[in-house]
Amino acid sequence: DQQVKQNSPSLSVQEGRISILNCDYTNSMFDYFLWYKKYPAEGPTFLISISSIKDKNEDGRFTVFLNKSAKHLSLHIVPSQPGDSAVYFCAANGGSQGNLIFGKGTKLSVKP
Amino acid sequence: KAGVTQTPRYLIKTRGQQVTLSCSPISGHRSVSWYQQTPGQGLQFLFEYFSETQRNKGNFPGRFSGRQFSNSRSEMNVSTLELGDSALYLCASSRGDWAETQYFGPGTRLLVL
Repeated sequence: DQQVKQNSPSLSVQEGRISILNCDYTNSMFDYFLWYKKYPAEGPTFLISISSIKDKNEDGRFTVFLNKSAKHLSLHIVPSQPGDSAVYFCAANGGSQGNLIFGKGTKLSVKP
Repeated sequence: KAGVTQTPRYLIKTRGQQVTLSCSPISGHRSVSWYQQTPGQGLQFLFEYFSETQRNKGNFPGRFSGRQFSNSRSEMNVSTLELGDSALYLCASSRGDWAETQYFGPGTRLLVL
């Protein structure tokens, strides 16, 4: 059973617009969440994280929102750029040391 | 600071063989986690090492094993390779504290024929 779900396999956005990537989780014990960006044949690159004691974290064009009651988080990218085109993974600290639980990823395409 | 490095980057083996993959963490990081990425299953946790000890293990058979050295470098071994072991193997390092960001290497692409 998937504990971290990214229900949209793909998302297409126009350059300059906002990209919103969503992620749901089932385990209320998860206390730390991360977003990674991945290009084919490369390792995931860390983007931004959020602790469960916060509901928002911002870093440049990237903002992550956490809604604990809904067990939902989202990544906002504003403005979107063609170089943002990649697969984005949501991950949760899995309750045991060193174990991140990943969603299946959302492929973002930003069109010029 | 240098990032996480993994060797080799690509590997082709045949069924029944064994393979050893290597990971060098970011300097100062004492935790190394290993993940398997396949198209069907996504990224799955294999195990984590901290200060030369395995702290956690995922749901993989005993054919998958690892170790960590005193300089925090880690190796992962897969014995009696099966076709289904073809995957991208990723390692990630962190300082090892709770709720730490993990930084990933480029991965080793293993193809089992």
